Amino acid sequence: ETGVTQSPTHLIKTRGQQVTLRCSSQSGHNTVSWYQQALGQGPQFIFQYYREEENGRGNFPPRFSGLQFPNYSSELNVNALELDDSALYLCASSLSLINTGELFFGEGSRLTVL
Amino acid sequence: AQSVTQLDSHVSVSEGTPVLLRCNYSSSYSPSLFWYVQHPNKGLQLLLKYTSAATLVKGINGFEAEFKKSETSFHLTKPSAHMSDAAEYFCVVSDYQGAQKLVFGQGTRLTINP
Repeated sequence: ETGVTQSPTHLIKTRGQQVTLRCSSQSGHNTVSWYQQALGQGPQFIFQYYREEENGRGNFPPRFSGLQFPNYSSELNVNALELDDSALYLCASSLSLINTGELFFGEGSRLTVL
Repeated sequence: AQSVTQLDSHVSVSEGTPVLLRCNYSSSYSPSLFWYVQHPNKGLQLLLKYTSAATLVKGINGFEAEFKKSETSFHLTKPSAHMSDAAEYFCVVSDYQGAQKLVFGQGTRLTINP
């Protein structure tokens, strides 16, 4: 167990709707990253938050947005859902911005868009 | 940009036989490389990491990987497979473009036959 918890574990939405996914970081970790893992693919970097500020973003459109709170928990919001947004969304926390590559992942939120 | 290519999408071995999962990388500078494992319905877990120290890296559960610059490879091995090793394995390279970002390969599914 990594100490990173995500909710909900599964959810179903329809095209055009909006979704919010939540993540609680491992204790003491001030950096959180979000990844999208489509079926049969490796995870892809969405963005990273450090001390409540976005610190970098992957190749995802602006309808993917996030927040980090003072307790370092985080949200991923996706607006105007598309069928291709169906995926496992992974949250990962780390101790700092130092690029050790050791991230602690949650078990993910599986989103299905119909 | 950094990238990794996993050469096999699926590897099947018998319990007690050696495991070899192959990975090639592309990097414009000395890379940081990792192997992560994803068991069904579990979060991603770091197996091992290479960060320019020893070229032979030992990880958890008896896995190890060798960094070969001349071949741009970072293959994962284990002398004797166990049923519990059945999982999806990802070769990963670290990229830093304003954020601590991991770039994942497509994954290799390891099946262990009794």
